[in-house]
Amino acid sequence: EDQVTQSPEALRLQEGESSSLNCSYTVSGLRGLFWYRQDPGKGPEFLFTLYSAGEEKEKERLKATLTKKESFLHITAPKPEDSATYLCAVQAPGGSQGNLIFGKGTKLSVKP
Amino acid sequence: GAGVSQTPSNKVTEKGKYVELRCDPISGHTALYWYRQSLGQGPEFLIYFQGTGAADDSGLPNDRFFAVRPEGSVSTLKIQRTERGDSAVYLCASSRPGDTQYFGPGTRLTVL
Repeated sequence: EDQVTQSPEALRLQEGESSSLNCSYTVSGLRGLFWYRQDPGKGPEFLFTLYSAGEEKEKERLKATLTKKESFLHITAPKPEDSATYLCAVQAPGGSQGNLIFGKGTKLSVKP
Repeated sequence: GAGVSQTPSNKVTEKGKYVELRCDPISGHTALYWYRQSLGQGPEFLIYFQGTGAADDSGLPNDRFFAVRPEGSVSTLKIQRTERGDSAVYLCASSRPGDTQYFGPGTRLTVL
């Protein structure tokens, strides 16, 4: 069964304290791995798509990396406005284009 | 341009009642998806439309749930004989075929 596991469930950082969020997946033949940010009461906001092991993408203080078994979302010198829940999702072959499988998310809190 | 819009933003109903949730996708996006998100969980896939037809409805939990997209644009998710367990945030997303999914703000459904 295709699965996505995110860790930690919650992470508290001081402003400027860099860290990483983990997304491990078990799926045969990954078609894409997606990172979204979700603020309370809002829908997920797209951040990155990664397709193959070794791929990296960056946006401001965020960098996403991908291996054959997991992805990391690195947050460098975070600010309070980076506080949100970060969701990871995978798209597997055989499923329809709609069948994104999400993890439960990591809730990040950044204190000033 | 305008993003995905969903109405209503909140819906409170009584057990056993019928509800309709509406999604207006991004203009030009032929693919439309419905997900359900319970508290503390990631979004769970329900159904995917390509144009007017449901390409994958494998995520619908039972026959009380039905969705339509008659003109290939706006979609309506319909829930009959609502149960307390149906309480969740219902998210809609749209995309170009095979491209990134962009989410709306969601409809929070509460069944009393």
